[in-house]
Amino acid sequence: SQKIEQNSEALNIQEGKTATLTCNYTNYSPAYLQWYRQDPGRGPVFLLLIRENEKEKRKERLKVTFDTTLKQSLFHITASQPADSATYLCALDGGSGNTGKLIFGQGTTLQVKP
Amino acid sequence: DADVTQTPRNRITKTGKRIMLECSQTKGHDRMYWYRQDPGLGLQLIYYSFDVKDINKGEISDGYSVSRQAQAKFSLSLESAIPNQTALYFCATSDPGQGPDTQYFGPGTRLTVL
Repeated sequence: SQKIEQNSEALNIQEGKTATLTCNYTNYSPAYLQWYRQDPGRGPVFLLLIRENEKEKRKERLKVTFDTTLKQSLFHITASQPADSATYLCALDGGSGNTGKLIFGQGTTLQVKP
Repeated sequence: DADVTQTPRNRITKTGKRIMLECSQTKGHDRMYWYRQDPGLGLQLIYYSFDVKDINKGEISDGYSVSRQAQAKFSLSLESAIPNQTALYFCATSDPGQGPDTQYFGPGTRLTVL
């Protein structure tokens, strides 16, 4: 069955550094991958989408890469700030036959210290 | 005003009670979803609806039912609540006309079953 893995351990970094979060998947080939941010007690908020034929996507201080050979996406936040502290979820499309559904990873919590 | 609203925001109930969680959206999206989130487990899909007449079970539909009263409204019911249904519940919407299914989440309902 389809499986998504994100680092379950929290990532703690110093303000100004680059945070890198990992999303690995197995057993299928998604057409696209999305990253969401979730603050405690609130709903996830969409950040970025990258398609299978794209290697990299950027938005302001955010960068996402998608390696379909390694079955991995990396999510980078450059010049991190304490306000970036949150849980970040990756989500993949459900594959052929599951159009319109997303499969979410369990999320990685990022803590940026001043 | 928020595009996706959920009521109630918090609910405490007793085992065996029937309860309903409601979701309304002003985004005009046809697709709506119900998820539950447990610590460390990420988002699990309960039910989804691609239009008013199309309702589908997700991966964890047992013990739940839904009603799509209109394009804008999608309700989740727990017929006979049990303690392991204690979780954070999210409603989401999406519009395939805007490309891949980026989802827009409500603020969540925290449900406690005693």
